[in-house]
Amino acid sequence: NAGVTQTPKFQVLKTGQSMTLQCAQDMNHEYMSWYRQDPGMGLRLIHYSVGAGITDQGEVPNGYNVSRSTTEDFPLRLLSAAPSQTSVYFCASSYATSGSEQFFGPGTRLTVL
Amino acid sequence: TQLLEQSPQFLSIQEGENLTVYCNSSSVFSSLQWYRQEPGEGPVLLVTVVTGGEVKKLKRLTFQFGDARKDSSLHITAAQPGDTGLYLCAGAVMGSSNTGKLIFGQGTTLQVKP
Repeated sequence: NAGVTQTPKFQVLKTGQSMTLQCAQDMNHEYMSWYRQDPGMGLRLIHYSVGAGITDQGEVPNGYNVSRSTTEDFPLRLLSAAPSQTSVYFCASSYATSGSEQFFGPGTRLTVL
Repeated sequence: TQLLEQSPQFLSIQEGENLTVYCNSSSVFSSLQWYRQEPGEGPVLLVTVVTGGEVKKLKRLTFQFGDARKDSSLHITAAQPGDTGLYLCAGAVMGSSNTGKLIFGQGTTLQVKP
């Protein structure tokens, strides 16, 4: 099993550009989520999904869109990138039960100029 | 808004020393997890504590969940350079039994010098 995979590993955007961060998991997990990690702020939840066709907002959803058309894939879209979105983005998946282990991807380092 | 306050944020110690990292909240969590993250990688789960007062040991690491399920601690005995990394606590939100939703602390960066 590949676990949780993310692409790209690194990305540089100009302000106003759009892009999609890809995330896929092959563990048949129901729950998937996107976090951003900034120095001194830990991991902050952007959006999450409890199954195909169901998504919900997390702590910092503004400027980001998600969709969940399949169990395996959970892409994160930046519609109009801003410098404040410079961060490291992690996708995670787990069984949708309280206290389940979250499996994280390797992260995408995004810089917005 | 549920918050998890982690302290200290940074810790630099010599090999062989002991240390404790704290994770506190005013909210009650159904369970609490500790993750370790190395540079350039995603966090990896160390332990999950579920019951108030629970203590779990993982070699030189001891994890405790507070009686009221609002706080937790991680104690490392005789730290080694291999323990260097970012340690994150994460609480499972009450009522999130069907979502798996977690709230993360800010993290503690630990450096263990040889």
